[in-house]
Amino acid sequence: AQRVTQPEKLLSVFKGAPVELKCNYSYSGSPELFWYVQYSRQRLQLLLRHISRESIKGFTADLNKGETSFHLKKPFAQEEDSAMYYCALARAGNMLTFGGGTRLMVKP
Amino acid sequence: DTEVTQTPKHLVMGMTNKKSLKCEQHMGHRAMYWYKQKAKKPPELMFVYSYEKLSINESVPSRFSPECPNSSLLNLHLHALQPEDSALYLCASSQVARGRSKDTEAFFGQGTRLTVV
Repeated sequence: AQRVTQPEKLLSVFKGAPVELKCNYSYSGSPELFWYVQYSRQRLQLLLRHISRESIKGFTADLNKGETSFHLKKPFAQEEDSAMYYCALARAGNMLTFGGGTRLMVKP
Repeated sequence: DTEVTQTPKHLVMGMTNKKSLKCEQHMGHRAMYWYKQKAKKPPELMFVYSYEKLSINESVPSRFSPECPNSSLLNLHLHALQPEDSALYLCASSQVARGRSKDTEAFFGQGTRLTVV
């Protein structure tokens, strides 16, 4: 069975500080992992996916199969990054299993 | 148009009522999904439609009845719900995944906040 774990419910950092949101997964197949973000009063939207290895809004995430992790990182947090972040694993196409979510608060 | 539109935004219903949630997209996506999100919890998959046919039912109780009348519309019919069914119901759509899912970004609607009294 697949499982996605985000150990931190809340992460609070100051503006300009580095950010790392942790995500670990368990999945017997070849994983496809995503980060989704939900800004206040907005819909859930894709932030980035491991397969495209892109950087969006300064965020990056590297899939580490040895550690079964897909941590989200940004070197310098901005106030507008404050949001709810979900790590998600796609199984059999695009059926998503979400982690519990981490609320990121960036303080001025 | 890259939006998934859900109506209504809010719904309060009694346990004996019958109501329907609606979802619409015009992105040409042939995969559509219903997710349920309880307060302070992540979304959980309920149903998947692929090419207007139900392909996945995640052991959802029969008081939830999905319907996909055409490639742009997805409904969720509700009957005899319980208070514990109160949640945010999210609709999503994507291209049908083939092989690696690089092109299957899921687009989510704003959700319908359902309260069962």
